[in-house]
Amino acid sequence: GQQLNQSPQSMFIQEGEDVSMNCTSSSIFNTWLWYKQDPGEGPVLLIALYKAGELTSNGRLTAQFGITRKDSFLNISASIPSDVGIYFCAGPSTSGTYKYIFGTGTRLKVLA
Amino acid sequence: DTEVTQTPKHLVMGMTNKKSLKCEQHMGHRAMYWYKQKAKKPPELMFVYSYEKLSINESVPSRFSPECPNSSLLNLHLHALQPEDSALYLCASSQEGTSVEQYFGPGTRLTVT
Repeated sequence: GQQLNQSPQSMFIQEGEDVSMNCTSSSIFNTWLWYKQDPGEGPVLLIALYKAGELTSNGRLTAQFGITRKDSFLNISASIPSDVGIYFCAGPSTSGTYKYIFGTGTRLKVLA
Repeated sequence: DTEVTQTPKHLVMGMTNKKSLKCEQHMGHRAMYWYKQKAKKPPELMFVYSYEKLSINESVPSRFSPECPNSSLLNLHLHALQPEDSALYLCASSQEGTSVEQYFGPGTRLTVT
């Protein structure tokens, strides 16, 4: 079945550093979504990508839709303590747009 | 406004209790979802409603009973739950047809004792 693998699984960085994480699949996705989840809260949609090669920014966040349509990348520049959380990639399953495939998540911790 | 609200925030219930989780959105979205999320795992889809009709049931045990009274509200009725049902329950909504973007509520933290 479809799977999304995220790396790294977790990362500890210093405040002010840039962060890069990625999401890969063995199958093609036509849409990529990136969510951030704070502890005990629901995921918040950060960026949605709809076209191969697309590069989209949201403040300090930049995400790219890979050319092969089998991967996506999320970068955070100049990290701050409130960037702490779990970042999930997601994409619609081939079985229908209602069903998301979620990535395994990247847990980010920022050291002040 | 991309807000989905959920009540209660926290719920503790015994295995013989009956309780309900509530979800509300006023974005005009016609698709609404229930997810279950265990610690350190991604959300798992339980149910999808489209235009107030149940569209997807991911083989969820009957002790979970969803209801969509109108286009803005979604309930999840709970009865005879097991301790392993303790989790964060998330509601989400999306536009029908044109968008795959799902917007999540803050969740209800459920503990079954």
